[in-house]
Amino acid sequence: AQRVTQPEKLLSVFKGAPVELKCNYSYSGSPELFWYVQYSRQRLQLLLRHISRESIKGFTADLNKGETSFHLKKPFAQEEDSAMYYCAPSHPSSNTGKLIFGQGTTLQVKP
Amino acid sequence: NAGVMQNPRHLVRRRGQEARLRCSPMKGHSHVYWYRQLPEEGLKFMVYLQKENIIDESGMPKERFSAEFPKEGPSILRIQQVVRGDSAAYFCASSPDQRGNTEAFFGQGTRLTVV
Repeated sequence: AQRVTQPEKLLSVFKGAPVELKCNYSYSGSPELFWYVQYSRQRLQLLLRHISRESIKGFTADLNKGETSFHLKKPFAQEEDSAMYYCAPSHPSSNTGKLIFGQGTTLQVKP
Repeated sequence: NAGVMQNPRHLVRRRGQEARLRCSPMKGHSHVYWYRQLPEEGLKFMVYLQKENIIDESGMPKERFSAEFPKEGPSILRIQQVVRGDSAAYFCASSPDQRGNTEAFFGQGTRLTVV
């Protein structure tokens, strides 16, 4: 069965420390891969997607097909990065934008 | 563009009542997705609709749940005879097309509480 795993429910770091939010997926086929973020009292929004190979707010995510991982990284965390982060591949076997979400990781950046 | 609008934001229903959740997609978007988030869990896909058509309802419970997206007006997620286990946050997302690499825009969700 298709599955997305974010092993850490809570990740707490100090400002300026490196951050890595882990995401592993088990799929057949090649899903499109996204990270969505939800800041306090705001709606869920796209942070970045693999296909764009972009860096948003200093975050990057590398797809490792061998490990089936799509970890989110930032070299120096900022307090405003505190939020809930969801890894979300789109369903590989359907031509739709249906997303499969991980359980989410709360990132807490302490001053 | 006001973004995806969901209402109500909070809904309280007694067991056995009906719940109606509304979602107005972003202007120009004709693809709507509904997701459910149970406490302590991630968002789970429920249904994907285009105008007047249900495309994929593989995540919908078999009974009591239905969804529609009429030609005019918002998409509606309807839950009949609600039970305590239906208490959750329900999120709607819209996109301009159905491609897998297209960004989905989310509403702020409706928190349903069944008492």
